[in-house]
Formats: sequence, structure tokens, C-alpha cells
Amino acid sequence: EVQLVESGGGLVQPGESLRLSCEVFEFTFNLYWMTWVRQAPGKGLEWVASINNDGSAEYFVDAVKGRFTVSRDNAKNSLYLQMNSLKVEDTAVYFCARFGVTNGLDVWGQGTTLTVS
Amino acid sequence: QSALTQPASVSGSPGQSITISCTGTSSDVGAYNLVSWYQQHPGKAPRLLIYEVSKRHSRLSSRFSGSKSGNTASLTISGLQAEDEAHYYCCSYAGSQIYVFGTGTEVTVL
Repeated sequence: EVQLVESGGGLVQPGESLRLSCEVFEFTFNLYWMTWVRQAPGKGLEWVASINNDGSAEYFVDAVKGRFTVSRDNAKNSLYLQMNSLKVEDTAVYFCARFGVTNGLDVWGQGTTLTVS
Repeated sequence: QSALTQPASVSGSPGQSITISCTGTSSDVGAYNLVSWYQQHPGKAPRLLIYEVSKRHSRLSSRFSGSKSGNTASLTISGLQAEDEAHYYCCSYAGSQIYVFGTGTEVTVL
């Protein structure tokens, strides 16, 4: 079964760093762009970052530029989100998602929760 | 990178049709035929419904349809059913590999 499993969330203080991971199963990871999407408590979805299939290009929403980096290890079928200088407003559930050939996010993980307080 | 505008809530009775609008600008919705729609039930991950404005994701019921006119995209749910009660989000490509989601719409089945 095609699956994405996030991990690494937790409670941190403002200014600290954290790395989220997303392990993928049952598809050829190196063929797909990947994306991180977050959802603050009781709020809507926000696209955070994307990375191309070979990891050579990254794209970010303005709110996290310069603080977050996204990377991937295709040999380990894993996606990462390194978050530095965390702010209270970064508190959210973070989802990783696959950018399908459909130009839509066709597979999602279950999410991992980051609390900055 | 402003969020696309959706109505906060839409409701309908079982069997009725509802339409959710998603208004952007000439730099996102109006510029590209790359609007997708997602359904999210409480506590769950979002699920892709529609991609490239009007194409249904695999095995999606034909009760769901998408369209676009100018800077506004729309999702129509016909034959409304209890399980359609959820939040719905549009998403559009905004150029330079940037994407923007809509503000989200809560659908209530009366």
C-alpha cells in the first residue's frame, strides 16, 4: 500500500529547531516531487514547501523562507523538513504529501504535530 | 501568497446540489488550469478530489465536479450525502513553483 509516515513532531520553545521526517512506502520515491503542508489548530491548510524529485530545488512559502529547509534521501525513501528559529505561529500539524502526475497532492501522511510554546 | 477566498460554510439537504467557490487572482486561479480540490474530515488527512480544475481523482464519485471561470474556481457536489459533510479546500498553482490553498469551506448536510 502506498503510504507516507511522518515523525519528529513535538513541543519546543521559540527560537529552537526541529527536524520532521516522512518515510514513504510502496512507490518509486525518486520519481516524485514532494510537499509539506501544515494546518494550525482550527485553521485551514497552508502549503509550506516543495522539493523536486532529485532534491536539487526547493521552494518555500514566504513565512518560512530563510528558516526552513527541505531535503530528501532517495536511497532511504525519506523526506525531511528542517525547521530553525521556530515561532509560536509555526504551531501546526505538518503533513507530507506526494505531488502526483495529476498535478495534485494525491497521497498524504497522517500528520505530525509541532507545538512551539 | 494570499490565501484563495472560499465561503466559510455551505449547507444543503440530502440529495441537493451545492457549489463551493474559490476566488483568487489573475496570478493564480486565473492564470493556470492547475486548481485542485481536497476533502478533509475531522482529525483526518486531506484527500484529493479534483485536479487540473475538473478532472476527478481515481474512483471519485461523479457527484463531484469542478470548473473555473476567470479568477474563480468551483466545486459542485450533487446528490448530497451525509458522508460529504467535511471541510473542503481548493488549491492553485501561483507560479514559480508556489502553491496557495483556499481558506476552506465547511459543508453541512442538514
